[in-house]
Amino acid sequence: GQNIDQPTEMTATEGAIVQINCTYQTSGFNGLFWYQQHAGEAPTFLSYNVLDGLEEKGRFSSFLSRSKGYSYLLLKELQMKDSASYLCAVSPENRDDKIIFGKGTRLHILP
Amino acid sequence: DAGVIQSPRHEVTEMGQEVTLRCKPISGHDYLFWYRQTMMRGLELLIYFNNNVPIDDSGMPEDRFSAKMPNASFSTLKIQPSEPRDSAVYFCASSLTPANTEAFFGQGTRLTVV
Repeated sequence: GQNIDQPTEMTATEGAIVQINCTYQTSGFNGLFWYQQHAGEAPTFLSYNVLDGLEEKGRFSSFLSRSKGYSYLLLKELQMKDSASYLCAVSPENRDDKIIFGKGTRLHILP
Repeated sequence: DAGVIQSPRHEVTEMGQEVTLRCKPISGHDYLFWYRQTMMRGLELLIYFNNNVPIDDSGMPEDRFSAKMPNASFSTLKIQPSEPRDSAVYFCASSLTPANTEAFFGQGTRLTVV
């Protein structure tokens, strides 16, 4: 079966750094995504990893280890607007095109 | 492009009634996905289409749910009859090649069945 795990909630302070972890067990692997979702809004794309290593994009970075079935999203210089849910998603099959989402991590930013 | 467009944004209906949710994907996107989001279960894939053809409907919860895509610019998700446990936010998303490119989500339809 397919399983994606991430913490339900996290809290961090404005200006700080936070790391949101995601582990996955899927029948195959064709890439991992991170999406951001503000309350009452649609998910929006943040990052995509298919090879091991760190991808940096401004204040946000995403890391992948395929051998460990592990990824993290690193958010630096936290701002109040970063308060949102962060969804880890995996494309599990090489010949299939569906994306499976984790339940998301709700990140609360304190002033 | 205006992005993925869903209608209605909100729907309140009585148990037993038929509900139809609509989606217009981004022009040129070959893939269309229907997701359901609840607090308990997160974002669940219900069904997806490639070039208007249903590819995987294994996430459709039961026969009360059906989805169609009569052309490249329109899809519907129908629930008949609706039940209170169907209350959720239903998202439509479209993509070029979903395995390695981002999916664009509509604003969702918040369905409440009373």
